[in-house]
Amino acid sequence: GQNIDQPTEMTATEGAIVQINCTYQTSGFNGLFWYQQHAGEAPTFLSYNVLDGLEEKGRFSSFLSRSKGYSYLLLKELQMKDSASYLCAVRASGTYKYIFGTGTRLKVLA
Amino acid sequence: KAGVTQTPRYLIKTRGQQVTLSCSPISGHRSVSWYQQTPGQGLQFLFEYFSETQRNKGNFPGRFSGRQFSNSRSEMNVSTLELGDSALYLCASSWDVETQYFGPGTRLLVL
Repeated sequence: GQNIDQPTEMTATEGAIVQINCTYQTSGFNGLFWYQQHAGEAPTFLSYNVLDGLEEKGRFSSFLSRSKGYSYLLLKELQMKDSASYLCAVRASGTYKYIFGTGTRLKVLA
Repeated sequence: KAGVTQTPRYLIKTRGQQVTLSCSPISGHRSVSWYQQTPGQGLQFLFEYFSETQRNKGNFPGRFSGRQFSNSRSEMNVSTLELGDSALYLCASSWDVETQYFGPGTRLLVL
């Protein structure tokens, strides 16, 4: 079957670092995506990994291990505006369908 | 470049009615995907259209259908609405199999 697991909720303090994990089991793999979604808004693209390793983009980094079916999103120097849901999505090879996790709701406290 | 647009943004319908939602992708994008988002289920894939052809389909009943026009604009139709169809319907576009970009969504409430 196809499955993506993420923690439901996380809480962190402003200025801190938080790591949001994502594990996946899919039939084929053609990339892993992270999206940010603020309440009542559409998801916005954050990062894309297709090869193993770390991709850094400012305060956000994303890591992928294809052999372990594992990814994480690292957010540094947390700001209040980072309070949002973070969605992990895998694109299946062949069909190129996207499978989304249910998202991790991150609360950043002052 | 203008982003993905969806109309209408909000909709209230009653059970048994049908509804049509519209999505205009980013200029140049040929792929349009539709998703249903509910609090408990997260983002569920409905279908994807590419160059006017349905390329992928999710596990939704036949009441959910869609189409894509030659200008890449897409419509989604839900017939015989049920209470459980209340959700945020998101459309996402991409050039082909690259990163998807989402529209603001249509929030549908079925009474």
